[in-house]
Amino acid sequence: GAGVSQSPRYKVAKRGQDVALRCDPISGHVSLFWYQQALGQGPEFLTYFQNEAQLDKSGLPSDRFFAERPEGSVSTLKIQRTQQEDSAVYLCASSLRWDKNIQYFGAGTRLSVL
Amino acid sequence: SQKIEQNSEALNIQEGKTATLTCNYTNYSPAYLQWYRQDPGRGPVFLLLIRENEKEKRKERLKVTFDTTLKQSLFHITASQPADSATYLCALSYNQGGKLIFGQGTELSVKP
Repeated sequence: GAGVSQSPRYKVAKRGQDVALRCDPISGHVSLFWYQQALGQGPEFLTYFQNEAQLDKSGLPSDRFFAERPEGSVSTLKIQRTQQEDSAVYLCASSLRWDKNIQYFGAGTRLSVL
Repeated sequence: SQKIEQNSEALNIQEGKTATLTCNYTNYSPAYLQWYRQDPGRGPVFLLLIRENEKEKRKERLKVTFDTTLKQSLFHITASQPADSATYLCALSYNQGGKLIFGQGTELSVKP
């Protein structure tokens, strides 16, 4: 498909488990963003990549959260030792080099920590 | 830090009427203000962008205004349709291609 693809769509984890969420941006999109969306709230910024460089990780809530984009394409958001408060929808977005302001979002991964 | 407030109550209107959604922010004005639409179980979809030096932007049945004195943006959908029912998110950014700061969203319901 032509859109941003995220997997898995749903993830149930036991408290303390590690999880990895994957994002496939639109081909050729240089910038990639991760957001966290709690129920009934707007998305909140987590981190930003330009190609493989992580330029801003100011939104990551703790050192249990880690993101990477080693080849400047696919990105993985990893959460270690998950806690109940990590339950949310994790959204990935990408944008074009020449129209940087418009972000194209994936459908998200809904994480439930029991 | 920047705070963004959108209509907290859901907006219910009759088909054919104009829906008006509000986005207010504190602190300094953003370089860009955007509106996104989000349907249940889906990611936000871009609708319109307005720059800080622009007063108004239109696209088909959509209109956005931006008042940096009032620190407010209004989003209008004219001749609303049931298919317009969704949550609408206001988002600010302070530099080109930068992260978005979102409001909490307003749920719009258009009844036939």
